[in-house]
Amino acid sequence: AIQMTQSPSSLSASVGDRVTITCRASQGIRNDLGWYQQKPGKAPKLLIYAASHLQSGVPSSFSGSGSGTEFTLTISSLQPDDFATYYCLQDYNYPWTFGQGTKVEIK
Amino acid sequence: EVQMLESGGGLVQPGGSLRLSCAASGFTFSSYAMSWVRQSPGKGLEWVSAISGSGGSTYYADSVKGRFAISRDNSKNTLYLQMNNLRAEDTAVYYCAKEAYSDAGPDSWGQGTLVTVSS
Repeated sequence: AIQMTQSPSSLSASVGDRVTITCRASQGIRNDLGWYQQKPGKAPKLLIYAASHLQSGVPSSFSGSGSGTEFTLTISSLQPDDFATYYCLQDYNYPWTFGQGTKVEIK
Repeated sequence: EVQMLESGGGLVQPGGSLRLSCAASGFTFSSYAMSWVRQSPGKGLEWVSAISGSGGSTYYADSVKGRFAISRDNSKNTLYLQMNNLRAEDTAVYYCAKEAYSDAGPDSWGQGTLVTVSS
């Protein structure tokens, strides 16, 4: 199975900060990667698909980049509603695998 | 509006069985692959199983292979997960999820149903 290594596992940031989260795949996965946001007690929400495509309705402050084995989720200006846990997911092949998650907390 | 509503969760003893259901609406159910994803208390997300739109292809995580079975009834717009020989480590919230497009990860999720395996 492809392993997804996500970093950092947590970070503290202030409103307005630029935040970057990274996922590394154990083998090349083209651009078959999505980013999800999850808030406590809620289902995950798709932010980015195919590594860099913004899901409809998601603020343009979110962006994704990368291909092959290295991927990045960037929040250009952190807003109060963005404090949550973020996960990457490789859908290159089964079994799909998630990163371990990054909890973004208020500084 | 895409909606998915899971049901069937509850408390079950180790070694027991449970069947989860996911009733879908707001999209052409048979045109989309569906998945089950779980989340143990305080832990991250774990993909469990997927099934093609026709139901002809199924996929499983190694952790559930041979114990869980995914199926669907396209006439009822319903996804199922039959879980047998349950273990304590299967305790989790189970989400059903709809693929975004062909062979892609999910773009819509249900609210989840809690399965607790305990004596």
